[in-house]
Amino acid sequence: KQEVTQIPAALSVPEGENLVLNCSFTDSAIYNLQWFRQDPGKGLTSLLLIQSSQREQTSGRLNASLDKSSGRSTLYIAASQPGDSATYLCAVDTSGTYKYIFGTGTRLKVLA
Amino acid sequence: SAVISQKPSRDICQRGTSLTIQCQVDSQVTMMFWYRQQPGQSLTLIATANQGSEATYESGFVIDKFPISRPNLTFSTLTVSNMSPEDSSIYLCSVPMGGGLAFGPGTRLTVT
Repeated sequence: KQEVTQIPAALSVPEGENLVLNCSFTDSAIYNLQWFRQDPGKGLTSLLLIQSSQREQTSGRLNASLDKSSGRSTLYIAASQPGDSATYLCAVDTSGTYKYIFGTGTRLKVLA
Repeated sequence: SAVISQKPSRDICQRGTSLTIQCQVDSQVTMMFWYRQQPGQSLTLIATANQGSEATYESGFVIDKFPISRPNLTFSTLTVSNMSPEDSSIYLCSVPMGGGLAFGPGTRLTVT
């Protein structure tokens, strides 16, 4: 059974720092991996989607990489801002049916 | 990208009662998914709502507790039946979008 873990569970950094969030999964046979952002009490906003044939995706200050063989993905945030404060979730689709399994999340706080 | 709306956005209900949550998408989609996010936890898939057929429930979720309707390709409802305080969660609907998932804003349910 696929399990998705995110480390660290919480992170507090000063504004301007570059940071890396980690996502690991137990079954490397995945199709797609998606990173989301969730603000307190709100729904999910999609940040980046890495499809099965891809190794990374970039959007603005965000870069996500995927290494299926090692069961890991990282989300890199450059020059962090207070507005980046949120919970970041990764999710994997292991069957190609859009039934994504979610990680435990990393709660990020960027201090001004 | 799809625009997904949910009603109600939040509600406070008494134990033993039922609440029906609506999800509306601005385009036709084959699959719609219902997720639950318990306080401080990540997301768990409840079921897949298919138009014209019974919903498919994940392990640990049953139709009697979470009946789902899918009358057309743009709309679905999830009912939380005979509620207890343990049902206090955010309930989110989602649809496939470009290989990943797009989410509605969620319904925050508190059961007293």
